[in-house]
Amino acid sequence: QKEVEQNSGPLSVPEGAIASLNCTYSDRGSQSFFWYRQYSGKSPELIMSIYSNGDKEDGRFTAQLNKASQYVSLLIRDSQPSDSATYLCAVIKRGTGFQKLVFGTGTRLLVSP
Amino acid sequence: NAGVMQNPRHLVRRRGQEARLRCSPMKGHSHVYWYRQLPEEGLKFMVYLQKENIIDESGMPKERFSAEFPKEGPSILRIQQVVRGDSAAYFCASSPGQGVAGELFFGEGSRLTVL
Repeated sequence: QKEVEQNSGPLSVPEGAIASLNCTYSDRGSQSFFWYRQYSGKSPELIMSIYSNGDKEDGRFTAQLNKASQYVSLLIRDSQPSDSATYLCAVIKRGTGFQKLVFGTGTRLLVSP
Repeated sequence: NAGVMQNPRHLVRRRGQEARLRCSPMKGHSHVYWYRQLPEEGLKFMVYLQKENIIDESGMPKERFSAEFPKEGPSILRIQQVVRGDSAAYFCASSPGQGVAGELFFGEGSRLTVL
């Protein structure tokens, strides 16, 4: 089982719609979760972090966390063509000492005008 | 530009040659991470360094790969005797410390092509 799993997509949504991106993780003890956005040929950029069960909103982005189900999601409201990118879910992997950030393979989002 | 700086951005090597990738962290950051990204794949952790110390190299192949972060100068990821499978984008990220381990700032990456 992969440590962080995402559907590779592409997820296609029309402009103005809500895009829903999902992620599951295997380490039940994980406490910290992140969403990074990566445009084609560019570097990943942190857009959201979430540490507690429930929702966290930042502008058009909402991160949702359900630790019991080991499930993290990212909602993008009023999707814009500029949101077209790959969205990487990342989870802190516990270990002795250093806490490693483990990434999923990413979901490609396409927002059509 | 106070961001994470990586060079070269693109590097072409023939099989058997050496590749050296450099990373200067953001100003004030003392923690450096190297990740590798293959086409259509996610980011794979390779190594975590602080100044003059390798903290975790569990993701780095045991042979041909090495990394350093000297007291002065950039962090360097070195790949000896490159093979075609080493072709990938290598991203460096930095953080100010262990406070929020998941909030990393990435450089633009170095894209290695092995002929």
